[in-house]
Amino acid sequence: AQKVTQAQTEISVVEKEDVTLDCVYETRDTTYYLFWYKQPPSGELVFLIRRNSFDEQNEISGRYSWNFQKSTSSFNFTITASQVVDSAVYFCALSEAGANSKLTFGKGITLSVRP
Amino acid sequence: NAGVTQTPKFQVLKTGQSMTLQCAQDMNHNSMYWYRQDPGMGLRLIYYSASEGTTDKGEVPNGYNVSRLNKREFSLRLESAAPSQTSVYFCASYRTVGRSGNTIYFGEGSWLTVV
Repeated sequence: AQKVTQAQTEISVVEKEDVTLDCVYETRDTTYYLFWYKQPPSGELVFLIRRNSFDEQNEISGRYSWNFQKSTSSFNFTITASQVVDSAVYFCALSEAGANSKLTFGKGITLSVRP
Repeated sequence: NAGVTQTPKFQVLKTGQSMTLQCAQDMNHNSMYWYRQDPGMGLRLIYYSASEGTTDKGEVPNGYNVSRLNKREFSLRLESAAPSQTSVYFCASYRTVGRSGNTIYFGEGSWLTVV
């Protein structure tokens, strides 16, 4: 069975601080996909990144960066120099490969960035 | 969210009433999903369909039925609505086959209140 754990439930930072959102996953598959989604107060789910299990390169996109470590089954997300607009709920998700796979989400982390 | 259309967006039901949430995608994705989102619980999988003609239970299937009418459409039915089914419902679609797994596309959500 697959599982995604986002142990942090709520994080509050002051604008311009860096913040890391943790994600730990469990799967028996050797091929799988990991995702991060953002849900702003307006409610829609916004795609941020997809990472394949066979690609352990870290990725940076502007102020966002992701650290994928298979050895610790973690896929952490860092926001550098946070902004008020980063305030949202952030979800990590896992999908095993294969035609009958399902998507499993963590419970989400509520990030509040104060001015 | 491009490609996934979910209706209705808002609905108020009385306890015991039935209703169907409709979802359609035009991206030729094989997999479709229904999630419910409740405060502090994240996104929980109700049912999913890996391909046309197949459906499987997720984490919280009780009180729901689904139908994968064709490749495009995946509906969620509440036969006898209960207040515990008050939630926000999200439909999603995803192409799971192949190493280059696509991103997950979500509908805009359906806010359902059962009184």
